[in-house]
Amino acid sequence: DAKTTQPPSMDCAEGRAANLPCNHSTISGNEYVYWYRQIHSQGPQYIIHGLKNNETNEMASLIITEDRKSSTLILPHATLRDTAVYYCIVRVNYGGSQGNLIFGKGTKLSVKP
Amino acid sequence: KAGVTQTPRYLIKTRGQQVTLSCSPISGHRSVSWYQQTPGQGLQFLFEYFSETQRNKGNFPGRFSGRQFSNSRSEMNVSTLELGDSALYLCASSIQSYTDTQYFGPGTRLTVL
Repeated sequence: DAKTTQPPSMDCAEGRAANLPCNHSTISGNEYVYWYRQIHSQGPQYIIHGLKNNETNEMASLIITEDRKSSTLILPHATLRDTAVYYCIVRVNYGGSQGNLIFGKGTKLSVKP
Repeated sequence: KAGVTQTPRYLIKTRGQQVTLSCSPISGHRSVSWYQQTPGQGLQFLFEYFSETQRNKGNFPGRFSGRQFSNSRSEMNVSTLELGDSALYLCASSIQSYTDTQYFGPGTRLTVL
């Protein structure tokens, strides 16, 4: 089972920041937080991942709380092409089943004009 | 650099037949993982191959099998197809291990009639 909880859906106005929350209250010290997104009927696209520090790349920013029990993915200027299902996943970066990507139901983000 | 490619993109089979799906990883990537995505069960891990060996396996029946070739290309086979095998089959590649960041292909949409 997925170890994360996400809201099933969210709306965002085009051009505004989209802030997608994720709860992972049982995360362990060696588990990373990963974010993927899936645009309808395409393969999931990697967005970003982090362990404890905030991370930023060309797609998004990842903010992880100090206790690591929750995180927020930020798309700074959402466009219509950002409409997708966003998955938050926690996993270790070494072998065994704990290293598997386990996808939950994700958050369906709808960006509206 | 070219992404992960999967062939065919769409496939229609009948119950009892068998099917083979192909995946070419990103150049230089040696680990290939396979996933099944259905509306009811979501995205589920099937298995992972590295250096022509299956290293990690999900909870699927033995009808689902795979292999990897020396050039890291991978095939997945499903024998004795059932209606419930209708799904989007996704392949993901990573540099050395499934615990590295995985990059997904577009998927093969299999319909079993």
